[in-house]
Parts: sequence; structure tokens; C-alpha cells
Amino acid sequence: GAVVSQHPSWVICKSGTSVKIECRSLDFQATTMFWYRQFPKQSLMLMATSNEGSKATYEQGVEKDKFLINHASLTLSTLTVTSAHPEDSSFYICSASRGAGGADTQYFGPGTRLTVL
Amino acid sequence: GQNIDQPTEMTATEGAIVQINCTYQTSGFNGLFWYQQHAGEAPTFLSYNVLDGLEEKGRFSSFLSRSKGYSYLLLKELQMKDSASYLCAVMDSNYQLIWGAGTKLIIKP
Repeated sequence: GAVVSQHPSWVICKSGTSVKIECRSLDFQATTMFWYRQFPKQSLMLMATSNEGSKATYEQGVEKDKFLINHASLTLSTLTVTSAHPEDSSFYICSASRGAGGADTQYFGPGTRLTVL
Repeated sequence: GQNIDQPTEMTATEGAIVQINCTYQTSGFNGLFWYQQHAGEAPTFLSYNVLDGLEEKGRFSSFLSRSKGYSYLLLKELQMKDSASYLCAVMDSNYQLIWGAGTKLIIKP
């Protein structure tokens, strides 16, 4: 299999607080992990790509100081939304790939629904 | 620029067959993926095509023609649980996934 978990599944927080989301590949080593955001009835939007042990590559328009990504091991990546605001409310989804640079199938986690009050 | 086109929405009847088309223009090609996404959930992997032809997997089949920049996902014996969005994605020469906007499939009894 290729199972990816995310935690938490949903989170509600106050404006100005930081939220950390974990993404784990449970039964394989993920050389590359991806973070997506999806607003209601819209398509997936890639935020950043991270390779284990190196800095994440952010897509244009995504603030790297606001969305901190750490890919500390081959099975864990974290996304921290710093000083969250209501406009950050969204569905955040991670995916993991065995291949370097994403040269392999991406398997998705179940997603984290973030609501910022 | 890079572009993936697929219909926005399709409707089909339970028990029938439906074909969801996807055309693409990308800088390089390292394979085409189909994912299924139910409302409020993350995408799940359905298929991967990198060579021309038809790949069959149970009720679902995926076809690719690289020369035409075209793929389709064929769903047979439709069930109500197949109501979902179907996402076409192409991996370009840099191994970046280029995503289509998705096709919302509505199954009617």
C-alpha cells in the first residue's frame, strides 16, 4: 500500500495563532512531499514541494514565512500556518511520493480542514 | 503555457458507462494521472499512463494517446458512489504535476 496520514483532520483557531499540520507516510519512505490548498469548489493549488533534509520550494505567491514547511525525515513533513487569519481558512492536503523531485505517483493524505475565526 | 482541459461537469445514469476526456499541452511529458475526489475529501489515485494505449483496472479504464495529447477515463457499470470529481494531472519534464480543474460527475438513479 501507500498510506498517508494527516493530523489533525480539522482545526478551529483564533486569528493570530499558529497551527501545525503533520503529514506522515505510514508504509513507505517519502523522498518528496507536497502541500496543497483547496478552496470550496476549486481545484487543488500546489503551495510547496519539500524534499527530505532540504528547504521547501514554494510556488509563486505563497509566502514562505507564513507557511513554514519542515521535512525532517523520510516519513514526516509538517506545515505550520503562522499568525493565521480568516482568509487562511481552507482545506490543506499533503501528498507523498517515493521518487525524488516527485518523479512518482503522489499519494494523498486525508486533508486538514482549517477554520480561522 | 501549460494547460489541462477537461469538462467541468458530466451527468450519467447508474449502471451506464461514462467517458471523461482530458487534453493537455505541457512542456514535456512523464505520465498522466487520474485521481478521484469525493466532496470534502482528499484525492485518491486511480491510474497512471505513460505509454499509449488502454490500462484496465476493474470498472475503471484509462487511455492515453501521447501524439494527440489526449486521455480519457472510462467508468463502467456506474454506481452511485462514483459520484465525485475526477482530476486529470500530467507530469511535465521537470516532474511537476500540472492539474486539470476536475470533472464533476453526477450519477442519477
